[in-house]
Amino acid sequence: DIQMTQSPSSLSASKGDRITITCLASQDVGTYVNWYQQKPGKAPKLLIYDASDLHTGVPSRFSGSGSGTHFTFTITNLQPEDIATYYCQQYDNIPPITFGQGTRLEIK
Amino acid sequence: QEQLVESGGGVVQPGTSLSLSCAASGFTFSSYAMHWVRQAPGKGLEWVALILAAGTHKYYADSLKGRFTVSRDNSRNTLYLELNTLRPEDTAVYYCARPLGVTHAFNVWGQGTMVTVSS
Repeated sequence: DIQMTQSPSSLSASKGDRITITCLASQDVGTYVNWYQQKPGKAPKLLIYDASDLHTGVPSRFSGSGSGTHFTFTITNLQPEDIATYYCQQYDNIPPITFGQGTRLEIK
Repeated sequence: QEQLVESGGGVVQPGTSLSLSCAASGFTFSSYAMHWVRQAPGKGLEWVALILAAGTHKYYADSLKGRFTVSRDNSRNTLYLELNTLRPEDTAVYYCARPLGVTHAFNVWGQGTMVTVSS
């Protein structure tokens, strides 16, 4: 199975900051990586699909990049409503689909 | 609008069974593969199962070892997950999810249904 190693597990940043989350795949997954935002008590929300495509209606301060085994997710101009846990997910050569462990984002 | 609504969760004893449902509306259910994803309390997301649009092909997480069965009724726009021989570690919120087009990016999620396995 393909493992997705996500880091950091948590981070704290200030309003207006730029933050980056990384996911490393245990083998080449092309660009079959998606990113989700999950707020407490809610279902996850798709932000980025296929490594870098912004899902409809998602603010442009969210972005993703990468291919192969190294993927990054970035939020620029961090806003208070961005407080959430973020997950990467791969879907190459499924099953199984696998998720990263999650990154909990806090605002200072 | 596109919507998924899960039901069937509850508190059950170890070794028993439970059936979950996911009612779809607002889109052509029979055109989409569907997934189940679960999340244990305070933990991350875990993919559970996939069923293709026609229901002919089904895939599961290895960790489930044949205890769970996914099915669908396209005439009723409903997805199902049968959970057998439940264990305490199966305690989780169970979500059904629909992918975006031909990708496996989940752009429609249900609200989740909680399954608690406890004696």
